[in-house]
Amino acid sequence: QKEVEQNSGPLSVPEGAIASLNCTYSDRGSQSFFWYRQYSGKSPELIMSIYSNGDKEDGRFTAQLNKASQYVSLLIRDSQPSDSATYLCALNDMRFGAGTRLTVKP
Amino acid sequence: DVKVTQSSRYLVKRTGEKVFLECVQDMDHENMFWYRQDPGLGLRLIYFSYDVKMKEKGDIPEGYSVSREKKERFSLILESASTNQTSMYLCASSSTPRWGSREAFFGQGTRLTVV
Repeated sequence: QKEVEQNSGPLSVPEGAIASLNCTYSDRGSQSFFWYRQYSGKSPELIMSIYSNGDKEDGRFTAQLNKASQYVSLLIRDSQPSDSATYLCALNDMRFGAGTRLTVKP
Repeated sequence: DVKVTQSSRYLVKRTGEKVFLECVQDMDHENMFWYRQDPGLGLRLIYFSYDVKMKEKGDIPEGYSVSREKKERFSLILESASTNQTSMYLCASSSTPRWGSREAFFGQGTRLTVV
């Protein structure tokens, strides 16, 4: 089983909607989790990190962590066309999921 | 402004050649990583290093080696390039903070084509 699993998508949402991106992991010892955004032709950049169970909010982005169920999710509220990108989930050991491609349609 | 710089943006090499990909960071980071990125497969970890002269195998080290003689520089070596090593290669670095985010910074990538 791959260490980090993501639904590769693509995921398409209309502008203004909530985009929900999910990630599951196999290592119960994982303590830190990261969401990176990668625009087409560009390198990944960190947008959120989360270490504790529950929600962490940063502007339109909310990361949710449930260690018992071994999943972490990213919610993007009021999605904008500029949010169209691939979103990568990563563990503290710098292993990444395959990424979910998100398209926000105007 | 933090920076991770990869020596080449595009590279074309012949099968069997020895290929060197260079990565330099200016943030005094302890940790450096090499990935390859292929469509549908995401970022796959090839090798990483937590300190000078230290190296650890990632998930797909076969056909690759690395060198870290100085803290700021991490080189990826393809001993004998093959066509299945045609890919986008990304270098990253991060610090090891006691508290807070262990954010990784990526280079611009090297698109390697082996013909």
